[in-house]
Amino acid sequence: DGGITQSPKYLFRKEGQNVTLSCEQNLNHDAMYWYRQDPGQGLRLIYYSQIVNDFQKGDIAEGYSVSREKKESFPLTVTSAQKNPTAFYLCASSIGQIRQETQYFGPGTRLLVL
Amino acid sequence: AQTVTQSQPEMSVQEAETVTLSCTYDTSESDYYLFWYKQPPSRQMILVIRQEAYKQQNATENRFSVNFQKAAKSFSLKISDSQLGDAAMYFCAYRSSMEYGNKLVFGAGTILRVKS
Repeated sequence: DGGITQSPKYLFRKEGQNVTLSCEQNLNHDAMYWYRQDPGQGLRLIYYSQIVNDFQKGDIAEGYSVSREKKESFPLTVTSAQKNPTAFYLCASSIGQIRQETQYFGPGTRLLVL
Repeated sequence: AQTVTQSQPEMSVQEAETVTLSCTYDTSESDYYLFWYKQPPSRQMILVIRQEAYKQQNATENRFSVNFQKAAKSFSLKISDSQLGDAAMYFCAYRSSMEYGNKLVFGAGTILRVKS
């Protein structure tokens, strides 16, 4: 089955701890994205990557880091510098710089602070 | 920067009836894309419908259609013959065709409740 997988489904973070959210896709998409969703708000872009070994900050990148060493993988690390990390995190992918492309989303990870 | 506004936090519709969800956006660009995504209780984001700004014809996907008014910067979603499975949060989103990264800008969402 082709698609986007995110793990874990639920993640708990202790104060001062870094945690990493996994995102994998087997759609052969070049572009990948990370969004954060808070209650009552729409999705906000954290980081995006159009190609392997390259990524850019989105609107709310502070306290987060990413890597893109493989085309199919785009992990997100929530660092201790992110003071309010409790949220639902969604990963998405798309073909790339092609007109009329669409972003497809994974099932998400809920991050909670202990 | 572009912004997307969904002015209806919640809407209700009777099963088999029609409902329209509103969306307005602000942009200075002439070429862009607009999307409606559905997020059911499972929280999986599902693409409902897509509209290219250069196309005058409104997009349609089965029971879902849009009313795209480019001059008014309005992009409403009409759901006909509403079904219980349509109950979800609906997000309107904008994508520039000129900015690097093809990023989506989302509205705050509208919760749709379907009554049986």
